[in-house]
Amino acid sequence: AQSVTQLDSQVPVFEEAPVELRCNYSSSVSVYLFWYVQYPNQGLQLLLKYLSGSTLVKGINGFEAEFNKSQTSFHLRKPSVHISDTAEYFCAVSGTSYDKVIFGPGTSLSVIP
Amino acid sequence: DGGITQSPKYLFRKEGQNVTLSCEQNLNHDAMYWYRQDPGQGLRLIYYSQIVNDFQKGDIAEGYSVSREKKESFPLTVTSAQKNPTAFYLCASSMQGMGGYTFGSGTRLTVV
Repeated sequence: AQSVTQLDSQVPVFEEAPVELRCNYSSSVSVYLFWYVQYPNQGLQLLLKYLSGSTLVKGINGFEAEFNKSQTSFHLRKPSVHISDTAEYFCAVSGTSYDKVIFGPGTSLSVIP
Repeated sequence: DGGITQSPKYLFRKEGQNVTLSCEQNLNHDAMYWYRQDPGQGLRLIYYSQIVNDFQKGDIAEGYSVSREKKESFPLTVTSAQKNPTAFYLCASSMQGMGGYTFGSGTRLTVV
């Protein structure tokens, strides 16, 4: 069975500092990987996804993530955060042969002015 | 623009009442999903449907029911059997091979 671990439930960071949100997954099959962002009282919005190809994936709002198959990780990074990046971030995984997506528990990113 | 519409955005229910949450998509996606989200918690799958007239229970289906009579629509009924229905409900859809889901903006249900 697939599962997703987000090692940090809360991450405080000062504005304009870099941030990394960690994600590890377990799966015995080839996977697709995703990062979603959720602002308060809103639905989830796709930040970026890895389906195949380059292991470095660039997404919206200046975020990027790197797929590391040997470490089964898909960490999310941004070199300089803004107040508007304060939100909940979810890492997710699905198999390549079907669409059901498994979500991690989420990481709350708080950007401090 | 295509997307998923959830309505209403806020819903209040008296104890013992059934309520139905609407989810409509115009993305021509085959699969649709309902999730429940509680404060500070992740997403828990309630029901999902991969084709019209067929649906499967997720991890927390008790006290909920769904139908999928049309490809575009996947309404969720929260029944009186659901003991703690106050939560944020999210609908999502996907297409085979697309990778990932498209989400609606959610319905916040409160029992009064």
